[in-house]
Amino acid sequence: EAQVTQNPRYLITVTGKKLTVTCSQNMNHEYMSWYRQDPGLGLRQIYYSMNVEVTDKGDVPEGYKVSRKEKRNFPLILESPSPNQTSLYFCASSRLDSGLRETQYFGPGTRLLVL
Amino acid sequence: LAKTTQPISMDSYEGQEVNITCSHNNIATNDYITWYQQFPSQGPRFIIQGYKTKVTNEVASLFIPADRKSSTLSLPRVSLSDTAVYYCLVALPTGGGNKLTFGTGTQLKVEL
Repeated sequence: EAQVTQNPRYLITVTGKKLTVTCSQNMNHEYMSWYRQDPGLGLRQIYYSMNVEVTDKGDVPEGYKVSRKEKRNFPLILESPSPNQTSLYFCASSRLDSGLRETQYFGPGTRLLVL
Repeated sequence: LAKTTQPISMDSYEGQEVNITCSHNNIATNDYITWYQQFPSQGPRFIIQGYKTKVTNEVASLFIPADRKSSTLSLPRVSLSDTAVYYCLVALPTGGGNKLTFGTGTQLKVEL
C-alpha cells in the first residue's frame, strides 16, 4: 500500500530536549516536505527536499533541521525544542514530473507538545 | 505581497453544488494548482490538481482562468460527509525560488 508514515504520532517533551520525527514513504517519490499546522495559521511549510541530499527552507524553518540521506526518509529534527514549536506536523511526498510537483501525499500527522 | 486567500467558511445543503474560490494573485508559472480536503486530526487528502482551464475527476471539477490568478473548486451534489476544510495549494515565487503555500482554508459545512 502506497503511504507516508510518521513516527511518533504523539509526543510530549520538555524544552531543550532534542527530538526527531521520522518520515518515510514507499512510493519512490523525489519530493518530500514538512509542514506544521496551527489554529488560525493554517498549514505552513517548514522544509522541503527535491531529492537525496537536496534540501531547502520553506516558510518557517527556524528551529528545525532536516536531512535527506535516502530517498525514502526525511526526518525532522528539533535540536532544542521550545514551547512555540508545539504544533501538529505533517510530512508529505510527491513525484516530480519535469520539475513540476505532482500530487502530494500526506502522512497521518505528529502531534507535538513542548512543555 | 503575494498571498493566497479563500473564504473562511461556507454553508450548504445536501445535494447542492458548492464552489470554493482561491485567489492567488502572483502564482508561479511552472507549477500545478492543487486542492485538498482535510478532516479533523487527519492529514490533507488530495482532491484534484490542474495547470490551466478545466479539470474534472470523479469527485470534483477545477476551473482555472487563463491568467491563473484564481482557481475554483466545484463539488457537485455535496453530502454530509463533505463537511471538511478545503485548501488550495500553489507555488508562489520568492527571491529564493518557488515556495509551496497553502491557502487560508475554507470550512465547508453541509447540512440536511
